[in-house]
Order: sequence, then structure tokens, then C-alpha cells
Amino acid sequence: GAVVSQHPSRVICKSGTSVKIECRSLDFQATTMFWYRQFPKQSLMLMATSNEGSKATYEQGVEKDKFLINHASLTLSTLTVTSAHPEDSSFYICSARRDRATEAFFGQGTRLTVV
Amino acid sequence: ELKVEQNPLFLSMQEGKNYTIYCNYSTTSDRLYWYRQDPGKSLESLFVLLSNGAVKQEGRLMASLDTKARLSTLHITAAVHDLSATYFCAFTRSNFGNEKLTFGTGTRLTIIP
Repeated sequence: GAVVSQHPSRVICKSGTSVKIECRSLDFQATTMFWYRQFPKQSLMLMATSNEGSKATYEQGVEKDKFLINHASLTLSTLTVTSAHPEDSSFYICSARRDRATEAFFGQGTRLTVV
Repeated sequence: ELKVEQNPLFLSMQEGKNYTIYCNYSTTSDRLYWYRQDPGKSLESLFVLLSNGAVKQEGRLMASLDTKARLSTLHITAAVHDLSATYFCAFTRSNFGNEKLTFGTGTRLTIIP
């Protein structure tokens, strides 16, 4: 399968600071990337869908100004958690796909802890 | 509303036994996926099922799809400890694979020696 790399794998930050998570497709060009959030022992919840060169589409209930998504190139999307608070602590996972006919592949995930 | 229900949510079984995880979804599906997740890790793709009656097998795991019943199953044969993980089904809807994967609740499988 295709390789999707997510960085960092773990991050601890102080309340009020911002954290950026990167998602890269290493061996293919990803027209679409997805960002998910997973709380402990729960399923994955889609936060937003980003298409290269356009604004991300956020799911209902996800704050656009808090979770900034940029998909500036066909191999990189970033999720910035702004003014992080302890309730933002979670496991964030990205996935990327080449096109609508192909399967999306998942990154390794990022464990965010806000203290 | 798109819904995916998995059962059971928790499954504890002995090594060597067989069991089935069920995945019911609420609307017509184009693709049905099964994933494995180990604690603290991301998702590993196991199977992609594309059509009614599709059956795929990999080692001790076999997945099937019944689009008329809107049901997919993941069957575990002669379970071994290494299969302990959380298993998710997910589906997309459209001819090409929709924008979104809708995930099931997950089944936490524990294999007891």
C-alpha cells in the first residue's frame, strides 16, 4: 500500500499554545486528505476533508478557527490546533488518497496532550 | 443518517476458537472496509469489499459482504493471541468511493491463551 507519514507522533503542549501536525503522502500525490480525531476507546470521527488548493470542508460541530487545515501541495496537509486546551487532547489521524477511485491510506497518528 | 453498527463491542475469546464480528450499515454502500487498530497505533487496512457476495481471506481472517442485507462479517478462525486488537468496519457511498468513510463503533477483541 501507499505510505502516509504523520509527524509528530506525540506532542505535549501547554494550554493556550498552538500545535501543528503534518501529514505527508510519501509515494503518491494526494488530491484529498482527511483528518480524524479519536478519543480513548472510541471510534474515529471525521473532522474535515481537505482538497489540494482549496479550503477544507469541516464536519458539523468542528470549529474551523480552532482546527486550521492547510493542504498547500499534493503531498502535504497540516492541521494546526490553535489555543489548545486540555479537552483538545486526543489522538489525531490523517489519511490521504490519490483520487476518488482509490483507497485512502492512514498516517501513524499523533497523540496530542495539552497540559 | 449514515450509521454503522458493529457487534459485539467487546469480545473475549480463547485461542483456537472461531468467532464472527458483524457490521450493519444504514444505507447503500459502495465499498466496505475492515481495519485493525492496535493500542496507541493508527489503522491497518485489512480488507476492501466492493460487491455483493464478495469474500476475502487473509490468514485466519475472512471478510464477506452482503449488500442486500447491508451486512458485512469478519470471521476469525482458530484465533491466536496476535489477533488481539480493535477491529473497525467502515463504508463509503458512491460509485467511486465517497469523500467520507463512516466508521463503525469498533470491536475490541481479546484472545485469551
